[in-house]
This record gives sequence, structure tokens and C-alpha cells, in this order.
Amino acid sequence: KAGVTQTPRYLIKTRGQQVTLSCSPISGHRSVSWYQQTPGQGLQFLFEYFSETQRNKGNFPGRFSGRQFSNSRSEMNVSTLELGDSALYLCASSLGAGVEETQYFGPGTRLLVL
Amino acid sequence: AQTVTQSQPEMSVQEAETVTLSCTYDTSESDYYLFWYKQPPSRQMILVIRQEAYKQQNATENRFSVNFQKAAKSFSLKISDSQLGDAAMYFCAYRSGTGTASKLTFGTGTRLQVTL
Repeated sequence: KAGVTQTPRYLIKTRGQQVTLSCSPISGHRSVSWYQQTPGQGLQFLFEYFSETQRNKGNFPGRFSGRQFSNSRSEMNVSTLELGDSALYLCASSLGAGVEETQYFGPGTRLLVL
Repeated sequence: AQTVTQSQPEMSVQEAETVTLSCTYDTSESDYYLFWYKQPPSRQMILVIRQEAYKQQNATENRFSVNFQKAAKSFSLKISDSQLGDAAMYFCAYRSGTGTASKLTFGTGTRLQVTL
């Protein structure tokens, strides 16, 4: 089975622009979570989607948004980029939305904001 | 709020030796899950091992095992017969077992070096 895939793998943007990142979960997985990883803040939860519905959201400004499609693929969008948004964005999928589920991570998208 | 603490920013072990990475957590819940993830230089997070809090038996996966001390809120990872490929950042993570919150709360990580 193919793992979680994320596109693009690398991205360079300038301040004020917006960006959309994509995540395709493992086949059959219906839950997708997003995390931001930075040297200063570590790994922080952004949001989780299950069956096209956002179930949980982390403590991030409204510039960060996401959605999930009927095929479970997910996108996250960051508008009005700031320098501090430079990070590795990780997507993780799990079979269901139960708390017992294990999350499997993709390779991440590295975003650099100049 | 739950917190996860990894007090060892860096550890070093010789090939074929055993190393233990420490993790403590703070929670008022009784039902939860604990994980160790490995992040090699490729940055892909790989699940190493998981432990259900309701299980008294410590989880084991080949050369990897945990020492889960629920009362002490401690969850250490032991790597036996260390290999060069074990060199990576290791993250301890917590997930609540109640409600609908399924997010992982991570520690700050421990960088493991494996030397010849």
C-alpha cells in the first residue's frame, strides 16, 4: 500500500502570498491531520478532518485553513504568509477517527517564506 | 492541558549497544495512548512503537521496547543492539483516549547519534 503523499515537497513564497498544500492519505484512511514543525515551536497540531468535516483545530490564526474532499484527500491553505510560517508541514492519516487509531505521517512539505 | 517532556536533547550510543530515551508526560486523564516516533534526516515521521495506557504490559517491537510507568507518568524507549540506521530524532507523543480530540501532543525530541 502506498503511504501518505504530500505535494509539493518544497515551496518558496514571499510574504503576503498565499499557499495551498496537498495531502493524499493512505488508501482507505478517512482521517487526515496536519501538523506544523518549526525549530522554535516544535511539532504543533493544526487541524484534523474526517469525512470532509473538521473535527479538531489547534491554536493557529484564521489564516490557516483546510478542507477535505470526498476521496479523503486534504488541502491546507495559508493566506497572507508571514516569515514565521516557514516550517515543515506534516500530514498524517489514520483509518478512522477513533482515539485508538495510529497516525501515519507523510514526508512533509517544506515551506520557506521570504 | 497535556504536556510531554523529553529532557535529553541529545544522546549518543555505540553500535550494538543499548540506549534508553526518556519521556515524561503530564495528564489528569486515565485513558490515553503514548507513541514514539522516529524522524530521520529525510524528515519522514515513522512510528516506532505505541502503548495503550490501560495495558500494563510494556510494548515491544523487535529491538525497541518501552518502560511504561503509569503512576510516575514516564514512558521511556529502549533501543537494543543499536544500528547506524537508528540515528534520528525521536519524539515522544501523547494522545487523549477520551472525547473526540485525536491530536498528538509531542515532546521536543531527542537527537540520537549512533557511533561505530
